[in-house]
Amino acid sequence: GESVGLHLPTLSVQEGDNSIINCAYSNSASDYFIWYKQESGKGPQFIIDIRSNMDKRQGQRVTVLLNKTVKHLSLQIAATQPGDSAVYFCAEIPSGYALNFGKGTSLLVTP
Amino acid sequence: SQTIHQWPATLVQPVGSPLSLECTVEGTSNPNLYWYRQAAGRGLQLLFYSVGIGQISSEVPQNLSASRPQDRQFILSSKKLLLSDSGFYLCAWSVFVDGGYTFGSGTRLTVV
Repeated sequence: GESVGLHLPTLSVQEGDNSIINCAYSNSASDYFIWYKQESGKGPQFIIDIRSNMDKRQGQRVTVLLNKTVKHLSLQIAATQPGDSAVYFCAEIPSGYALNFGKGTSLLVTP
Repeated sequence: SQTIHQWPATLVQPVGSPLSLECTVEGTSNPNLYWYRQAAGRGLQLLFYSVGIGQISSEVPQNLSASRPQDRQFILSSKKLLLSDSGFYLCAWSVFVDGGYTFGSGTRLTVV
């Protein structure tokens, strides 16, 4: 079936650098996308979302980019900090259906 | 403000024993409720979702069942646990199905 997937299972960045986490989706009917952050042993926390009528949305230190042409989603984290170390999931919602999660990317921030 | 409570935080159960995990939401009415399972180092798999009392949709055939006896209460159950039921179980709620989900803190279940 159609699914959400991530390009890289792990990403290591130095503190202060920018991080980019990528995600590919295959369901062209999806019209809402969310990025979640999950720290070890905790539930996922909402980071930022974007609807399909947008191609960019910015939050505090985070930016989500949506390219519907190639069905690609990315999360950019500016000035990555040690507290950003976690697993990041992209998730999509096909219209009227429940949230479908990708496999996750583990972000490790090194000093 | 809305809050979601999930318990217990950890649980160790023998194979063949029953299971009951409870999730409650406060501060909202008629939420959409969800149960997800996460295997170690893996993504989240949707198990059940409910858009109202007594309305349960199952996503995958499995050894588990869900019930919603009250508007803001969602229960995950099993009559006989299997080793493969081990995992991290997460409850979530949303106002709309196609809106942002808020997750509980999860239950770490180990079946031995």
